[in-house]
Amino acid sequence: EAEVAQSPRYKITEKSQAVAFWCDPISGHATLYWYRQILGQGPELLVQFQDESVVDDSQLPKDRFSAERLKGVDSTLKIQPAELGDSAMYLCASSQRGNEQFFGPGTRLTVL
Amino acid sequence: SQQGEEDPQALSIQEGENATMNCSYKTSINNLQWYRQNSGRGLVHLILIRSNEREKHSGRLRVTLDTSKKSSSLLITASRAADTASYFCATDAGGGSEKLVFGKGTKLTVNP
Repeated sequence: EAEVAQSPRYKITEKSQAVAFWCDPISGHATLYWYRQILGQGPELLVQFQDESVVDDSQLPKDRFSAERLKGVDSTLKIQPAELGDSAMYLCASSQRGNEQFFGPGTRLTVL
Repeated sequence: SQQGEEDPQALSIQEGENATMNCSYKTSINNLQWYRQNSGRGLVHLILIRSNEREKHSGRLRVTLDTSKKSSSLLITASRAADTASYFCATDAGGGSEKLVFGKGTKLTVNP
């Protein structure tokens, strides 16, 4: 069964360092999402791509976060510089238009 | 901001019992989805119910939707210890957007 792949699964970094997360969606899924989930909360959308175009990045802190999906397939989410408050689970999901979203296992980020 | 709100926040039952979780939302929706998340893992899609549907079944899961009350419920029958997880409802943001807005979730514990 096809799955969304994410790496790394865990990342520990010091504040002010740069971190990057990678996501490979299910083949054929044009829509890709990056979510942030703080412990005890539901996921919150950071950015949504349709193919290589950003559809929604209204909740992305653009002073330090960036996301790209250059060829409309895999995607990278970057944080530079990382802050203590960025500690969270970062989830990637993909979907075919109008259907349910399939999530990857997530990347647990700890900022020290 | 979160649209869906699950109730209760936490639920503890014995194996074999039924578990009911509720979700309320604020604005008109096209569909509502339920997801499960095991501790420290990604989300798994359970059921999608569209605004013109009132009830949907999938195995031991039953979801109802009352658009007049802006609420939904998820019933898990004959629960098992493996059902222990957090359950989230997610609604689309409306206006044709595929963006999902998640609640804070219900933490279900099924005791063997």
